[in-house]
Amino acid sequence: AQTVTQSQPEMSVQEAETVTLSCTYDTSESNYYLFWYKQPPSRQMILVIRQEAYKQQNATENRFSVNFQKAAKSFSLKISDSQLGDTAMYFCAFRDNQGGKLIFGQGTELSVKP
Amino acid sequence: GAGVSQSPSNKVTEKGKDVELRCDPISGHTALYWYRQSLGQGLEFLIYFQGNSAPDKSGLPSDRFSAERTGGSVSTLTIQRTQQEDSAVYLCASSLREGPNSPLHFGNGTRLTVT
Repeated sequence: AQTVTQSQPEMSVQEAETVTLSCTYDTSESNYYLFWYKQPPSRQMILVIRQEAYKQQNATENRFSVNFQKAAKSFSLKISDSQLGDTAMYFCAFRDNQGGKLIFGQGTELSVKP
Repeated sequence: GAGVSQSPSNKVTEKGKDVELRCDPISGHTALYWYRQSLGQGLEFLIYFQGNSAPDKSGLPSDRFSAERTGGSVSTLTIQRTQQEDSAVYLCASSLREGPNSPLHFGNGTRLTVT
């Protein structure tokens, strides 16, 4: 069974600084999809970025980028120029090539401090 | 356009009562998912629908939990004989297709409190 692990329950960063959130996963499959979701206090889950495992190039979305290391089964999220609005819970998620459910990690609570 | 809508947003019920939680997916989305999020925890998968059928209901924690989807649209999650450990936020999501690259769009959830 696939599992997703986020080893940092809480992190904090100063506004305008860069922070990296860690995620590792376990799977025996060769092709799959990885996602980062953000959950602000409003509770709504918002897709931040996604990565297809067969693509070598790391995905980027504005200030958000990933470091995808397939051999190490690592999928970290880098947030550049952190903003107060980035304060939220961040979840890493895995989805196999069949589609269906996403498997989520336990989350990392990020606080951006002024 | 409208996002995923869940109702009620909050529900307080007494132990032993039945509750129904409703999810209205984004129009045209064929896949629908239910997750449970306990306080400070990650998201626990419950069930997902493709159209009106449920290819994966492996996450339903007990036979007190059931879900249905009618007309390929609205879904209802029913919890019978609620217990205090059922207290959580229940999140619904939909996606345009079942495919792996089709992102999930989430509602704001229903916070269930069992007293």
